[in-house]
Amino acid sequence: DAGITQSPRHKVTETGTPVTLRCHQTENHRYMYWYRQDPGHGLRLIHYSYGVKDTDKGEVSDGYSVSRSKTEDFLLTLESATSSQTSVYFCAISEWGGQTNTEAFFGQGTRLTVV
Amino acid sequence: GENVEQHPSTLSVQEGDSAVIKCTYSDSASNYFPWYKQELGKRPQLIIDIRSNVGEKKDQRIAVTLNKTAKHFSLHITETQPEDSAVYFCAASVNAGKSTFGDGTTLTVKP
Repeated sequence: DAGITQSPRHKVTETGTPVTLRCHQTENHRYMYWYRQDPGHGLRLIHYSYGVKDTDKGEVSDGYSVSRSKTEDFLLTLESATSSQTSVYFCAISEWGGQTNTEAFFGQGTRLTVV
Repeated sequence: GENVEQHPSTLSVQEGDSAVIKCTYSDSASNYFPWYKQELGKRPQLIIDIRSNVGEKKDQRIAVTLNKTAKHFSLHITETQPEDSAVYFCAASVNAGKSTFGDGTTLTVKP
């Protein structure tokens, strides 16, 4: 399996509190992504990064921010958690362009519950 | 942006039968079409993928076909086994990770 870990794996938080999820990779892949998975909606892209300090929005970015200060770490922050952000969050990594193209490798997921 | 539709949402087959899942996409710029299998409580894992310069790809009991003109692609699983039971997702993308996913198909293989 690709070297990708998410932390925490489970979290319960209260409405209005800030939450940060961490994704760490050891593959030195350029691209990193945050998805959320909800029943009936498959996986939806929140934000992605194509390099250190280079990030862009996905289709469901409202209420989320990201940061990537190092190649290996990609942080997802919910500034003020809401119940609608209760979900399973997956980080993914890939390499694309150049001489190496890989599929997306997913982390184990973080189950976030906002009460 | 890209829109991916996946059908059916649930599929039940007898062990040994074939299963077919179909997806359509909207963005003609998409050139990479992966299929992921997700078991309950686990992460999605790639089972097969196809790029737009190829019409069909096989890997043992699994095959994927792509029709670029019609903008649809399909997953075929032959000789299904109970361990094939899972949720399957198709996706379309211009690069591997920035994918738009279908809503998933829950496949149940009855022994």
